Amino acid sequence: KAGVTQTPRYLIKTRGQQVTLSCSPISGHRSVSWYQQTPGQGLQFLFEYFSETQRNKGNFPGRFSGRQFSNSRSEMNVSTLELGDSALYLCASSLTASGDQETQYFGPGTRLLVL
Amino acid sequence: AQKITQTQPGMFVQEKEAVTLDCTYDTSDPSYGLFWYKQPSSGEMIFLIYQGSYDQQNATEGRYSLNFQKARKSANLVISASQLGDSAMYFCAIKAYNTDKLIFGTGTRLQVFP
Repeated sequence: KAGVTQTPRYLIKTRGQQVTLSCSPISGHRSVSWYQQTPGQGLQFLFEYFSETQRNKGNFPGRFSGRQFSNSRSEMNVSTLELGDSALYLCASSLTASGDQETQYFGPGTRLLVL
Repeated sequence: AQKITQTQPGMFVQEKEAVTLDCTYDTSDPSYGLFWYKQPSSGEMIFLIYQGSYDQQNATEGRYSLNFQKARKSANLVISASQLGDSAMYFCAIKAYNTDKLIFGTGTRLQVFP
């Protein structure tokens, strides 16, 4: 069974531009979450989607948005990029997000560099 | 609110020795799960082991075991027989019931030397 895939793997943008990152969950998984990892702030939760609905959102500005499609694939968008948005963006999927034991499996991440 | 504390920024261990990575947590949720992930330099987060708050026994997965002490709110990861390939960042995380939102600690960088 294929794991979580993320595209693109690497991205270079300039300030003010916007970017869209894509995540395909493990087959059968219906919940997708996104995380931002930076050296300064560590791993921070962005948002969580289940059955095309956003269930939870982290403490990020409105420039960060996401969505989930009917096939459970998810995209996240960052508009008006800032230098501080440079980070590793990780996507994770789980079966249903119900119960405290539902394990999330992560993709390889997208490394975004904003110049 | 939930919080994870990992007090060891870095740890060294010799190959074939055991090592314990510390993790303490704080939560007001009655039901929660504790996870450990490994992150090699490539960046991907690799799931290692899970412990549920109501589990009576400590979780084990191959060379990984979790020393769960609920009263002390600690969930330390024990790696037995360390291998060179174990060198990586290790993150402890907590998740409440009915959400996929993981709260991570700051991580511990483990280096295994021959």
